[in-house]
Amino acid sequence: KAGVTQTPRYLIKTRGQQVTLSCSPISGHRSVSWYQQTPGQGLQFLFEYFSETQRNKGNFPGRFSGRQFSNSRSEMNVSTLELGDSALYLCASSLEQAGVGTDTQYFGPGTRLTVL
Amino acid sequence: KQEVTQIPAALSVPEGENLVLNCSFTDSAIYNLQWFRQDPGKGLTSLLLIQSSQREQTSGRLNASLDKSSGRSTLYIAASQPGDSATYLCAVILTGGGNKLTFGTGTQLKVEL
Repeated sequence: KAGVTQTPRYLIKTRGQQVTLSCSPISGHRSVSWYQQTPGQGLQFLFEYFSETQRNKGNFPGRFSGRQFSNSRSEMNVSTLELGDSALYLCASSLEQAGVGTDTQYFGPGTRLTVL
Repeated sequence: KQEVTQIPAALSVPEGENLVLNCSFTDSAIYNLQWFRQDPGKGLTSLLLIQSSQREQTSGRLNASLDKSSGRSTLYIAASQPGDSATYLCAVILTGGGNKLTFGTGTQLKVEL
């Protein structure tokens, strides 16, 4: 079974631009979460989607948004990029067979975003 | 607000040594706790998941324990190998928190030949 895939793997953007990152969960997984990882703040939760609905949201500004499609694939968008948005963005999926929070979360390789 | 702390922040051991990594959390209302490893520049690999009703989980040379009442978990690595060198992260899911993981600060492990 294929793991979580994320595209692109690397991105370089300039301040003020916007960016869209994509995540394909493991087949059959319905929950997709996004995290930002930086050396200073560590891993921080962005948001979670389940059955095309945002179920949880972290403490990030409105410039960060996401969505989930009917096939469970998810995208996140960052508008008006700032230098501080440079980070590794990780996506995770889980099956949730027995209910919320019961299953292992599997992470993708991440997208490394550099904002110049 | 849930806070997760890992001690030590960094650890260097000779090959073959048994070692323990520590994770503590402030809110005991957790649904489960997961241990991950992360290699430099890579994503996270899940090692073990412990449900709140469980006391421990084992996988190969790894054993993780959970004491909800004291807000602690430990990851025991037996007979460490250079390939175990990585950053180890623990993360908890709060009851009623969906699938949101709150991560610890990580322990950077180096196993030397």
